[in-house]
Amino acid sequence: DAEITQSPRHKITETGRQVTLACHQTWNHNNMFWYRQDLGHGLRLIHYSYGVQDTNKGEVSDGYSVSRSNTEDLPLTLESAASSQTSVYFCASSALGLAGENEQFFGPGTRLTVL
Amino acid sequence: AQSVTQLGSHVSVSEGALVLLRCNYSSSVPPYLFWYVQYPNQGLQLLLKYTSAATLVKGINGFEAEFKKSETSFHLTKPSAHMSDAAEYFCAVSERHGQNFVFGPGTRLSVLP
Repeated sequence: DAEITQSPRHKITETGRQVTLACHQTWNHNNMFWYRQDLGHGLRLIHYSYGVQDTNKGEVSDGYSVSRSNTEDLPLTLESAASSQTSVYFCASSALGLAGENEQFFGPGTRLTVL
Repeated sequence: AQSVTQLGSHVSVSEGALVLLRCNYSSSVPPYLFWYVQYPNQGLQLLLKYTSAATLVKGINGFEAEFKKSETSFHLTKPSAHMSDAAEYFCAVSERHGQNFVFGPGTRLSVLP
């Protein structure tokens, strides 16, 4: 069965360190997304990609970067981790739709703590 | 810009009672609408989606939602709550010809015995 996986599931790091969260999907979806989930804020879009070599900034992109070198993977990098980036991170993917009708499929999440 | 509001960050119902979770959207064009459920320590799972085929949409686990254009609403209902329905529920909107979603802030549903 196709799936979307994230690793690690839990990560503790220190302020100032670079951290990379992995996201891998086997749906062969063009679209991939990174969100963060914080209490009181729901899900906020960090970065997204509509295909290989395509990346775009979302609502809360400062301090984060992504790269898309193949269809399956969209790693999220925190260049210099800050305590404000303590959160639960979700990766999602969706098929390219003509009119935005396709649902997003979500990974299980990565809980990141920055000390 | 689109926005999604969910009235009530926390809703409590008794087991067997009607579940009603509210979602209102703002969109300049007819949108696609989605409801997701998130169980503790898990990712989001699609409950149902509206893509204009029918205004009353049936989803998994006995949930359904009705699209009302005049009220810009897409409320989620279930006739009889079960303990296993306790979770966080998110409404999301995708504007036609767009690939991105805007999510509401979520409603936490508690089911009391």
